[in-house]
Amino acid sequence: KNEVEQSPQNLTAQEGEFITINCSYSVGISALHWLQQHPGGGIVSLFMLSSGKKKHGRLIATINIQEKHSSLHITASHPRDSAVYICAVRSNDMRFGAGTRLTVKP
Amino acid sequence: EPEVTQTPSHQVTQMGQEVILRCVPISNHLYFYWYRQILGQKVEFLVSFYNNEISEKSEIFDDQFSVERPDGSNFTLKIRSTKLEDSAMYFCARGGMNTEAFFGQGTRLTVV
Repeated sequence: KNEVEQSPQNLTAQEGEFITINCSYSVGISALHWLQQHPGGGIVSLFMLSSGKKKHGRLIATINIQEKHSSLHITASHPRDSAVYICAVRSNDMRFGAGTRLTVKP
Repeated sequence: EPEVTQTPSHQVTQMGQEVILRCVPISNHLYFYWYRQILGQKVEFLVSFYNNEISEKSEIFDDQFSVERPDGSNFTLKIRSTKLEDSAMYFCARGGMNTEAFFGQGTRLTVV
């Protein structure tokens, strides 16, 4: 049973499109993380959320604790946004989603 | 300059051999974490380390694994007798449970 589910698994977009990646979880959490994994394997933290909404540049992350759901939005997508986006939740330990592979075409 | 640096970037080892993966240098941080990612699979939590002691560990982190902070800065993950299924990317991170996470670039371990 996957405690952290992401959708879609794969996403292809044209440059400039608005992108949404979803994350649902089934356990009680104290925090949720959005991470970006580049093709070389390196992982970068984008956001840590425990409530509400955060914004960094073109990236926006929201979380609804009651619905156990979070979304990551990318506005004005660019080919350099192509990566795997991972949702991870802090429960008893850290549980990761399988990732969403985003490809942005020029 | 990266928050967390891992060495080596890639290690190939014979099955049954011991390997030591390192986070270097790290100073003035209390919380550290090890994660692993088998090729094509999701990232998995291994262990968290707080103030020189293990604070949490997953079911993956069995007696084959150990963590140490031998000299107050380096933070190591040791696998005593490697198996083929230990082949994976291993990430060290500081922060991350209820604070922002900073990941190292990872060590790719290949067991042959």
